[in-house]
Amino acid sequence: GENVEQHPSTLSVQEGDSAVIKCTYSDSASNYFPWYKQELGKRPQLIIDIRSNVGEKKDQRIAVTLNKTAKHFSLHITETQPEDSAVYFCAAIPRGANNLFFGTGTRLTVIP
Amino acid sequence: DSGVTQTPKHLITATGQRVTLRCSPRSGDLSVYWYQQSLDQGLQFLIQYYNGEERAKGNILERFSAQQFPDLHSELNLSSLELGDSALYFCASSVQGGWGTDTQYFGPGTRLTVL
Repeated sequence: GENVEQHPSTLSVQEGDSAVIKCTYSDSASNYFPWYKQELGKRPQLIIDIRSNVGEKKDQRIAVTLNKTAKHFSLHITETQPEDSAVYFCAAIPRGANNLFFGTGTRLTVIP
Repeated sequence: DSGVTQTPKHLITATGQRVTLRCSPRSGDLSVYWYQQSLDQGLQFLIQYYNGEERAKGNILERFSAQQFPDLHSELNLSSLELGDSALYFCASSVQGGWGTDTQYFGPGTRLTVL
């Protein structure tokens, strides 16, 4: 099955700086890559996703890039704010599979 | 608020017992998914139902079962509980249940503690 690795496990940045979280996947047939944000004690929330036919997608301060050749995708947060502090999970769905495989999560702390 | 509701919010029980977790999907959503989040295993997909029928199965133990009722709410039954079953159980729903084509919205979760 699919194996998703996520790095780093923790990340601290100063407010206003950028944050980058990277995930690698093993199944080259994976075609959908969502990112979830989970604040302390809350549910995961989809913040952005990308499909395999697209290389980059942006939504305000958040962007996701996908490199199919290298089998990795990254979440970029610019101009970070304290409310960006949370655990971020990447995930992948292999084509034809009915399962969502999650990374192990990155705890992002934005220092005011 | 995603529109997905889960009850109860917290559940404390003993090893060997059986519990039922309940999920009501967003209005109009036909598909329900169950996930387990534990410190050991991270986030794991358990099972999916679409319009009353099981559609996909993930890492669900044989001691666990689920169903989706005609009104589309779903229940996850956990039996012969073990300490390792302590976790946060999330339900999510989506319109059509397409993996990779349909956005899943998560409920607030049920925190299960097995003593």
